[in-house]
Amino acid sequence: GAVVSQHPSRVICKSGTSVKIECRSLDFQATTMFWYRQFPKQSLMLMATSNEGSKATYEQGVEKDKFLINHASLTLSTLTVTSAHPEDSSFYICSARGTAKTDTQYFGPGTRLTVL
Amino acid sequence: AQKITQTQPGMFVQEKEAVTLDCTYDTSDQSYGLFWYKQPSSGEMIFLIYQGSYDEQNATEGRYSLNFQKARKSANLVISASQLGDSAMYFCAMRDRSKAAGNKLTFGGGTRVLVKP
Repeated sequence: GAVVSQHPSRVICKSGTSVKIECRSLDFQATTMFWYRQFPKQSLMLMATSNEGSKATYEQGVEKDKFLINHASLTLSTLTVTSAHPEDSSFYICSARGTAKTDTQYFGPGTRLTVL
Repeated sequence: AQKITQTQPGMFVQEKEAVTLDCTYDTSDQSYGLFWYKQPSSGEMIFLIYQGSYDEQNATEGRYSLNFQKARKSANLVISASQLGDSAMYFCAMRDRSKAAGNKLTFGGGTRVLVKP
């Protein structure tokens, strides 16, 4: 299957700082990438849909100014958690939509964010 | 709105035996796709199998097969010959193929599988 990388895999930061997470599709071009958030022992919650060259579409209840998404190229999308607070601590996972007939979404390995 | 239900929060299975993970869905759309993903303790989401709503045959991928019953709106995952490495969280997901939905996936709550030696 297609390969999606995410960096960093783990980050610990102080409250009030901003954290940037990168999501890259390594062997295919992804016109659409998705950002999810997952709390412990829960399912994935879609935060936003990122389309290359245009503004991201955020799900209801997700703060646009808090979670900045940029999709500057067909292989890279970034999520910036601005002025992070302890309640932002979570597992963030990106996915990229492949080009196969099934349009399967391939997921990155995730980023565990801990805000102190 | 779409909804995915996985009624089994957790289950044990004996090594080498088969296990069925339940998934039911609710949608008014005619065209949709159903996916199963595996999430081990490392956190990564691993794609297992896909079933299109218009596919007449049940999907199979190695030890994974999908029991698709469209009238009942169910898409159960069957794992045959369970291995210790199959211990993980399993998520059923549905993709709305309509343009308005933007190819978003809706996930079920997940089922944790623990394979016993």
